[in-house]
Amino acid sequence: EADIYQTPRYLVIGTGKKITLECSQTMGHDKMYWYQQDPGMELHLIHYSYGVNSTEKGDLSSESTVSRIRTEHFPLTLESARPSHTSQYLCASSDRLLSYEQYFGPGTRLTVT
Amino acid sequence: DQQVKQNSPSLSVQEGRISILNCDYTNSMFDYFLWYKKYPAEGPTFLISISSIKDKNEDGRFTVFLNKSAKHLSLHIVPSQPGDSAVYFCAASARGGTSYGKLTFGQGTILTVHP
Repeated sequence: EADIYQTPRYLVIGTGKKITLECSQTMGHDKMYWYQQDPGMELHLIHYSYGVNSTEKGDLSSESTVSRIRTEHFPLTLESARPSHTSQYLCASSDRLLSYEQYFGPGTRLTVT
Repeated sequence: DQQVKQNSPSLSVQEGRISILNCDYTNSMFDYFLWYKKYPAEGPTFLISISSIKDKNEDGRFTVFLNKSAKHLSLHIVPSQPGDSAVYFCAASARGGTSYGKLTFGQGTILTVHP
């Protein structure tokens, strides 16, 4: 059973606000990922990390930023939310040796008004 | 440039029958393929995978077939059950280099299994 958590599950916020989406995993996985998904579309990788103090941008350009100060924690921050940021954000983690199989959190549904 | 494609947005089958979900890819560097299942308001959960050195992998009711020459894979669910109703995502990964461990996903296929 994978243990990866995301908060909040749902967030409605006004334009210009700063937001942080939380992601934590208790499996000790080195690798963590953030995906963005719009309805009916594929998951797009926006950030990933291979360990503490390691962060890389993914395949889809994003105005968000991430940090990895602790192995278990991989928060995503938007300094100034815009309606174009409305989407579902999914966090995932994987084991260093079995990294193909990623375990996903429940996601955060973000709506920017 | 979509490297992993699921051309059927939806599939409807009767309980007890076979469900076949298809996936095509264009990147010849992909060497590991996975299927994920996603229920509404939940994150995707890993279902089954296959390495490019195999052409079939089976796990209970789920079997994945890989045809490397056609760059095509399929997921067979037999027999289908109403609880299988979900969105199914195909994903692929390329070994080595900066792509290691990164997954490229298809758009998903909504499977509905009718009682």
